[in-house]
Amino acid sequence: AQTVTQSQPEMSVQEAETVTLSCTYDTSESDYYLFWYKQPPSRQMILVIRQEAYKQQNATENRFSVNFQKAAKSFSLKISDSQLGDAAMYFCAYRRSPAQKLVFGQGTRLTINP
Amino acid sequence: EPEVTQTPSHQVTQMGQEVILRCVPISNHLYFYWYRQILGQKVEFLVSFYNNEISEKSEIFDDQFSVERPDGSNFTLKIRSTKLEDSAMYFCASSEDEEGDRSNQPQHFGDGTRLSIL
Repeated sequence: AQTVTQSQPEMSVQEAETVTLSCTYDTSESDYYLFWYKQPPSRQMILVIRQEAYKQQNATENRFSVNFQKAAKSFSLKISDSQLGDAAMYFCAYRRSPAQKLVFGQGTRLTINP
Repeated sequence: EPEVTQTPSHQVTQMGQEVILRCVPISNHLYFYWYRQILGQKVEFLVSFYNNEISEKSEIFDDQFSVERPDGSNFTLKIRSTKLEDSAMYFCASSEDEEGDRSNQPQHFGDGTRLSIL
């Protein structure tokens, strides 16, 4: 079964600085899909960024980018110019193929220090 | 932007009672999901639903759980006889994925229903 591991239960960063959240996963598939979701205190689940394993180029969305290392099965999230509104729980998620379930990591709680 | 909507936002129920959680997925989406998140824990998959039938379910989704799409818009999760351990946040999600479509459409989540079992 696929598993997703986030080894950092908590991270903190100064406002305007850069922070990287780690995620590793285990799969025997060669084609799959990866996501980062953000869950603020309101507990919504908000999509931050997504990556297809068949694409070598790392995904970027404004201040958010990923470092996708397929051989290492690593999918880290980099947040540049951190803002107070970035404070949230961040979940890494995997799915084997479109229309399949998401498998989530344990989450990393990100605190932004003003 | 279209949203997944869930009602109620908070449901308090006595143990042993039946509860129905309601969701309205995004209208052109084809796949529907329920997940749950026990307080302080990760999000866990419960069930996926496509073409009016369950496409996959987890070990959590036992005989006490059922899902239904009673009309063209609602998607419900029923728990027949609630237990204390059913207390959690329940998220509905939908996507416009198609099998074999590699465009990686994301799952869109509702705001969740907080279920408290007393």
